[in-house]
Amino acid sequence: DGGITQSPKYLFRKEGQNVTLSCEQNLNHDAMYWYRQDPGQGLRLIYYSQIVNDFQKGDIAEGYSVSREKKESFPLTVTSAQKNPTAFYLCASRTARDATNYGYTFGSGTRLTVV
Amino acid sequence: KNEVEQSPQNLTAQEGEFITINCSYSVGISALHWLQQHPGGGIVSLFMLSSGKKKHGRLIATINIQEKHSSLHITASHPRDSAVYICAPNTGNQFYFGTGTSLTVIP
Repeated sequence: DGGITQSPKYLFRKEGQNVTLSCEQNLNHDAMYWYRQDPGQGLRLIYYSQIVNDFQKGDIAEGYSVSREKKESFPLTVTSAQKNPTAFYLCASRTARDATNYGYTFGSGTRLTVV
Repeated sequence: KNEVEQSPQNLTAQEGEFITINCSYSVGISALHWLQQHPGGGIVSLFMLSSGKKKHGRLIATINIQEKHSSLHITASHPRDSAVYICAPNTGNQFYFGTGTSLTVIP
């Protein structure tokens, strides 16, 4: 079955360490997205990528970096510059081929705790 | 400024009750999604609609583009419906997300 795989589900890191969250999709979707969710707040866009080798900053990109070397993969690195990295991170994808009937697929998320 | 307002924030219902969650938004949209988030965090897209009404099983979603308002209804609610429901208007380029409505259905 096609879908998005985020790993790991739970991740613990020490303060000051960089950490990379994985997002893989086998849906042949062109666009991929990273969101952050904090308690009591809606999802906020970190980065997105419409095509391979291209990505754009979202609303809260500071302290994060991404790459899109392959269509299937859009890893997110939470750097030590991110002031408050503990959060739930959600990856999503969508096809951009049919603008009138696009659909989004969401991953199961990664809960990052920095101690 | 919140582009998306959902109500209520929390909702507790008895099994079998009819449930309505409301969403008002201020952005111009190409479509609006209703998402369901279970306690583990994973999100499922329930509906994507740009006009009128859609029905899937016991779930019904409606949208009024002129009034910038959408509702999600659950008929004959069941404990397995307990989740957070998120309204997410999409402009074509990006989502705006509501903070969600936490629904608990009691047997």
